Amino acid sequence: DTGVSQNPRHKITKRGQNVTFRCDPISEHNRLYWYRQTLGQGPEFLTYFQNEAQLEKSRLLSDRFSAERPKGSFSTLEIQRTEQGDSAMYLCASSLEMFQPQHFGDGTRLSIL
Amino acid sequence: DQQVKQNSPSLSVQEGRISILNCDYTNSMFDYFLWYKKYPAEGPTFLISISSIKDKNEDGRFTVFLNKSAKHLSLHIVPSQPGDSAVYFCAAGLIIQGAQKLVFGQGTRLTINP
Repeated sequence: DTGVSQNPRHKITKRGQNVTFRCDPISEHNRLYWYRQTLGQGPEFLTYFQNEAQLEKSRLLSDRFSAERPKGSFSTLEIQRTEQGDSAMYLCASSLEMFQPQHFGDGTRLSIL
Repeated sequence: DQQVKQNSPSLSVQEGRISILNCDYTNSMFDYFLWYKKYPAEGPTFLISISSIKDKNEDGRFTVFLNKSAKHLSLHIVPSQPGDSAVYFCAAGLIIQGAQKLVFGQGTRLTINP
């Protein structure tokens, strides 16, 4: 039984570059979530997919952010024209049913130089 | 607008004693509450949850209490063990479009001393 997998674990990039992260949820989990966590804070909700449909987006998700889940399995989160404030841990979680707990991956840490 | 607050950034407890972690929330629409545990360089791991229609849920050494009138949630760990040392996050869930949107507190770092 593999858990939620996120790649890469760490991404260092220069300001203004585009970055893309990947999340592979637990097999058969149809609900997939993206969160962002900054130092000293808890994770903050970014967006949610049910199968391939993106059903909810936070106000935190500016126009520079886009997420996809093309076949209802893995998901990608892209940040265009990165800014210093984008430095954070980006976490992915998945769940099977609405009231089942979300299972988190180990995250991708983004560092903007 | 911090809807979920953990007012203690850290807590130190002796091994074998009870650890009590607290959490307050402001939104009465939350219908599900969870506790997650986080080790360094790992993602949060689910620990225990409680529905808003209950006031207590127990799982082994872990018990979660919910006081809806006070909008207060607590996690009791007894007896505390060194492996319990971690950051604990409480989270409150809102149903949106068929899923739980979780709102997390800032976390409490628990240290269990031998």
